[in-house]
Amino acid sequence: EVQLVESGGDLVQPGGSLRLSCAASGFTFSTYWMSWVRQAPGKGLEWVANIKQDGSEKYYVDSVKGRFTISRDNAKNSLYLQMNSLRAEDTAVYYCLRGSLYWGQGTLVTVSS
Amino acid sequence: QAVVTQEPSLTVSPGGTVTLTCGSSTGAVTSGHYPYWFQQKPGQAPRTLIYDTSNKYSWTPARFSGSLLGGKAALTLSGAQPEDEAEYYCLLSYSDVKVFGTGTKVTVL
Repeated sequence: EVQLVESGGDLVQPGGSLRLSCAASGFTFSTYWMSWVRQAPGKGLEWVANIKQDGSEKYYVDSVKGRFTISRDNAKNSLYLQMNSLRAEDTAVYYCLRGSLYWGQGTLVTVSS
Repeated sequence: QAVVTQEPSLTVSPGGTVTLTCGSSTGAVTSGHYPYWFQQKPGQAPRTLIYDTSNKYSWTPARFSGSLLGGKAALTLSGAQPEDEAEYYCLLSYSDVKVFGTGTKVTVL
């Protein structure tokens, strides 16, 4: 059974940093593109970033370029999202996805003073 | 980046049929945008229903189908059930990036 478990969400001040993690199990992690998607409270879905199987290609939505970094550790079956220079508009539930198919349950990031 | 537009809300009668559409600000949606469709109920994570325009997963109810229609991606629900009341999102791929649609709230009433 495919499982994706996000962690690391927290309350952080504007300008702060946070690192999200996603622990994957039930499939061969190293053979799939992985993605992060977010959803602000009461709003729609927003694709944030994705990363190729070996980490050699990474793509981001314009609003997070230069602030967020997606990475993975295939030995640990884990996906990460390093978020720097956080803004109030980054407040959202962040979901980890295997490709665009399987979703985790999400972790809440709140950016507020 | 492109803007992907969906109907804000649609209402369908139980047992009825409704079609949701997904349009792109860059022009016609094609199979090359690899359209996906997702269903999200309140308080839950989204669930993937359709991939690559019209392909279903093992958990996708048969009453859902995907297609291209008039330059847009389309999701048709035939024989709506009360449990189909939810928010529906499409997702389009633009070479390196992906963009979600604005979402459609479907009410079964």
